[in-house]
Amino acid sequence: GAGVSQSPSNKVTEKGKDVELRCDPISGHTALYWYRQSLGQGLEFLIYFQGNSAPDKSGLPSDRFSAERTGGSVSTLTIQRTQQEDSAVYLCASSRSGTEYNEQFFGPGTRLTVL
Amino acid sequence: GQQVMQIPQYQHVQEGEDFTTYCNSSTTLSNIQWYKQRPGGHPVFLIQLVKSGEVKKQKRLTFQFGEAKKNSSLHITATQTTDVGTYFCAGDNYGQNFVFGPGTRLSVLP
Repeated sequence: GAGVSQSPSNKVTEKGKDVELRCDPISGHTALYWYRQSLGQGLEFLIYFQGNSAPDKSGLPSDRFSAERTGGSVSTLTIQRTQQEDSAVYLCASSRSGTEYNEQFFGPGTRLTVL
Repeated sequence: GQQVMQIPQYQHVQEGEDFTTYCNSSTTLSNIQWYKQRPGGHPVFLIQLVKSGEVKKQKRLTFQFGEAKKNSSLHITATQTTDVGTYFCAGDNYGQNFVFGPGTRLSVLP
């Protein structure tokens, strides 16, 4: 079946512009995660959605970052007034919840470059 | 907050040599997951360990979860060039939000 998809795959923007990154999780997966990965670095947790519960936003680095998940499916990560330090690969992952084993399935990521 | 550390940061081995990466959490974990990320790719799930002292094997890969559920290891026997990549552990401290370690980057020289 289809995996996690993300769009766009690459985004180049100018400093100060807003960007929207999209994630389509695997159908039926109730958990959705956003991570940020800088070149050669580990995964930095940003935000976590679980069903209809309030999202865990504890990883968002500033109030310029926000995310929504509509209808328990598609999610959009928005970065306002982008800065050069926002340049990174943004990864989305989804997992089936309610089971003991909840492996995360990652999308291919969106590579964001802020000039 | 919860911190997850991994050592070593980098490991260079000759093909055929063994490799081990260690993962340590500052808090007791409910479970731990391991992922592999090939260069230019995205993380791919390898395994999840849940029970104290658990050991699981996948062909040449052996995963262990410590008795105190605060540390874990991944051992690869007789490395191959296909093992190249970064290995991440991710710890869950009884929430559903996983904290990833910084990863161990493995290079295998043919």
